[in-house]
Formats: sequence, structure tokens, C-alpha cells
Amino acid sequence: EAGVAQSPRYKIIEKRQSVAFWCNPISGHATLYWYQQILGQGPKLLIQFQNNGVVDDSQLPKDRFSAERLKGVDSTLKIQPAKLEDSAVYLCASSHVPGAASYEQYFGPGTRLTVT
Amino acid sequence: KNRVEQSPQSLIILEGKNCTLQCNYTVSPFSNLRWYKQDTGRGPVSLTIMTFSENTKSNGRYTATLDADTKQSSLHITASQLSDSASYICVVSAVRRGSTLGRLYFGRGTQLTVWP
Repeated sequence: EAGVAQSPRYKIIEKRQSVAFWCNPISGHATLYWYQQILGQGPKLLIQFQNNGVVDDSQLPKDRFSAERLKGVDSTLKIQPAKLEDSAVYLCASSHVPGAASYEQYFGPGTRLTVT
Repeated sequence: KNRVEQSPQSLIILEGKNCTLQCNYTVSPFSNLRWYKQDTGRGPVSLTIMTFSENTKSNGRYTATLDADTKQSSLHITASQLSDSASYICVVSAVRRGSTLGRLYFGRGTQLTVWP
């Protein structure tokens, strides 16, 4: 099966500019996640969607970050305006409906954002 | 507070040698523990997943152990290869009260370098 697709792979912007990332999850996966991974750290969950509804956005800096998942398939993550500390890799992951015992998340290749 | 700690932060070994990576966690309520491999410039890929009742699980040259009493896990790599050079991330899943939805807690990863 095709994996999680993300674009662009790399993006360089100046601070205070806006940027958007796109994610296409694995077909049939109801749950979609956006993570921020700063160099040398593990991924940090930004937002989790179940179909097109938000399940968890407690760690999303809502003053500058926004995300949507129209029609419960593709998703976009936007940063407006960007700050230097937003430089990171933004990972998208998807999974089947998560159960209590286990649920596998499949990650995309990520978008590496550099804010100058 | 839910935390996942990994050691060492980085490790260099010679090709053909074995190594063991450590993970300690304080995540509760525990659902499962996974080890991911993340190659440079790529998203994490799952190696093993273990639930509370499992002590050991193997995936080729990778063997993971879990001690749920002491909340420790290890990942042992046998006969290392150059392609094993990557970041290895320990991830613990917690299940929210009254919900079947889980949340993942990521360690910072151990950066393994295998030299020829």
C-alpha cells in the first residue's frame, strides 16, 4: 500500500512569513497526526484528527499554528507568522481507528522547515 | 508526569558488534511500548511493539525487552550493519481514562552510528 505522503520536503522562509504543509494519509486511515520534531528531540504531537474532527490539539500553539482536515482525508498545517523557533521537521502520521490495546502509526517523510 | 527517557544519547560501534539501547518510562496508564528506527531525513518506522504481558519480542537482528514492573525496556541489536546507523526512538502509549483513544509519548532517541 502507498505510504503517507507529505509536501514540500523542504521549505526555507524568513521569520514572520507564512507557510503551509500538506499531508495525504494512507487510504482508509481515519486518524491523522501532525508532529513537530526539533533537531535532536523526539516528535511532539501538535494535533490529532479523527476523520475531520479534532481529538487533541492541546500542544498546538494556536496563536500562530492552524490545521484542518477537510473531508476527513488530506490535511494542511499552517504557520502564520513563523518564528525562528519553528525551525523543525513536521511529520504527518496516520493510523486506523486507535484501539485501547495497540494501534500502529505510519509516518510520512516529513517537511524540514528552516526559518531565517 | 509522563516521561520517556533514553540512554545513551549517542553511540558509536564497529560493524559486526552488538549493542543495547535503554529506555525508562513513567507513562501511566501503560498501553504498549514501541521502538522506532528513524533514518536521517525520513519518518520513524516501527521495529517492535510490546504490550504489558510481553517480555521479549524480536524482529530479525533487533530484540526488544520489557520489564513492566521496573518500567524499563531495552533494544538489542545483534551483528550491527552500516544500515543500522539511525536514531532509535522509544515510544510509550497511554490510554486516556474513559476512552479507547491512546496517546504516544516519545523519547528523544539514541543516535547510533555504525562504523566500518
